[in-house]
Amino acid sequence: QKEVEQDPGPLSVPEGAIVSLNCTYSNSAFQYFMWYRQYSRKGPELLMYTYSSGNKEDGRFTAQVDKSSKYISLFIRDSQPSDSATYLCAMSAGTGGFKTIFGAGTRLFVKA
Amino acid sequence: DAGVIQSPRHEVTEMGQEVTLRCKPISGHDYLFWYRQTMMRGLELLIYFNNNVPIDDSGMPEDRFSAKMPNASFSTLKIQPSEPRDSAVYFCASSPRAADTQYFGPGTRLTVL
Repeated sequence: QKEVEQDPGPLSVPEGAIVSLNCTYSNSAFQYFMWYRQYSRKGPELLMYTYSSGNKEDGRFTAQVDKSSKYISLFIRDSQPSDSATYLCAMSAGTGGFKTIFGAGTRLFVKA
Repeated sequence: DAGVIQSPRHEVTEMGQEVTLRCKPISGHDYLFWYRQTMMRGLELLIYFNNNVPIDDSGMPEDRFSAKMPNASFSTLKIQPSEPRDSAVYFCASSPRAADTQYFGPGTRLTVL
């Protein structure tokens, strides 16, 4: 079993839809949770960063962390064609053995 | 700042040849990471450095892979000899602190024939 599980998709939605992307994990030591967005033929770039449990909102994006269920989500409201990309969840324990583990990434297509 | 710089952007080589990938991290960042990305395996951490010292190389697949960071502004990832299964996109990333945002370079797309 992988430490981080993420459905690779692809996920196709119409413009304006609400998108829900999810990851599950097995390591209870993870405390830092991130979502990266990767456009085709580009490097990943940080989209959202949260510490421990709870919600964080930034514009059309909301990140949720449920540590009790070992489950994190990214919601995109009013999705746009420019949101079409691969979204990778990532997490880290942030301790001395610092290592960030990435999910496989979910490919999202937003149709105009 | 120009961001993380990687070279070359594309590399096509034949099996058995030595391949050297290069990375210049963002100035002032103490952490440098090398990743490999494939469709099958996703984004895999190969090795990371803190203040030029290798901290964890457990992701390096085989002895054919080696990485160095001779100074704070330069790192190399070398594959010798290369094999077709090494074909992937290799990313370098840097970070100012542990558990902080990682800034990725544009990647090197490696094809081994």
